[in-house]
Amino acid sequence: DVKVTQSSRYLVKRTGEKVFLECVQDMDHENMFWYRQDPGLGLRLIYFSYDVKMKEKGDIPEGYSVSREKKERFSLILESASTNQTSMYLCASIRQGAGEQYFGPGTRLTVT
Amino acid sequence: GENVGLHLPTLSVQEGDNSIINCAYSNSASDYFIWYKQESGKGPQFIIDIRSNMDKRQGQRVTVLLNKTVKHLSLQIAATQPGDSAVYFCAEKTGGGNKLTFGTGTQLKVEL
Repeated sequence: DVKVTQSSRYLVKRTGEKVFLECVQDMDHENMFWYRQDPGLGLRLIYFSYDVKMKEKGDIPEGYSVSREKKERFSLILESASTNQTSMYLCASIRQGAGEQYFGPGTRLTVT
Repeated sequence: GENVGLHLPTLSVQEGDNSIINCAYSNSASDYFIWYKQESGKGPQFIIDIRSNMDKRQGQRVTVLLNKTVKHLSLQIAATQPGDSAVYFCAEKTGGGNKLTFGTGTQLKVEL
C-alpha cells in the first residue's frame, strides 16, 4: 500500500513564525502536491512538484514556498505565518501517468 | 472533530438504503474523474474512478455514473452503512497532466 505521511497532525504557531510542514511518500512517486482544505472551499492546490528540485505554483501559492530536495519528501514552508493560513493542509502523491492521488492524513495548522 | 463538514450540502440516509451523491464538474475537456471519501480527521481516500470514454463503472457496493452531456457525475452507494458516513467529493483531471480539480464535497450522514 502507498503510504503518505505528514510530520504533524496538529500544529499551533504564532503570527510571524516560520512554519515547515513535511510530507514523505514511500512509493517512489514522481509527483507530489500540497493542498489546503477550508470549509466550503474544498481542496485548493498550493504548489506541486513533478520531480526533485522542480516545483510549480498551484492556484493559491501566495504566502507559501516549497522544497523538494529528495524524491520522497516535499516540504511546505510558510515564511511568515498569518492567521488566514489557519487551515487543514493535505499532501498527496501520484506516479507519473497514473490517475488517483494518494493523500496523507493532513496537518491541522492553527496560527494565533 | 474536523470542521470540513461546515457549509457543505448534507445527505441523510437510513442505514440499508441506497445513497446517491451528485457532482457537477466544470470542464467539458476533462477526461478522468475520481470520487474520494474523507472521514473525520483523515485524509481523502480513493473510492472509484472513471474515464470519459465510459458512462458507468461499478465497484464493491459503489457505482459511478458519468453524463458528459450535462457534465454530471454521480456516486451511488448500495446498502449504506454507518461506516459510510463521511464527506464525499469528486475530482476531475483535464489533459495529460497530473493536477486534479476538486469539488467542494457532500456530507453523507447515515442514520440508524
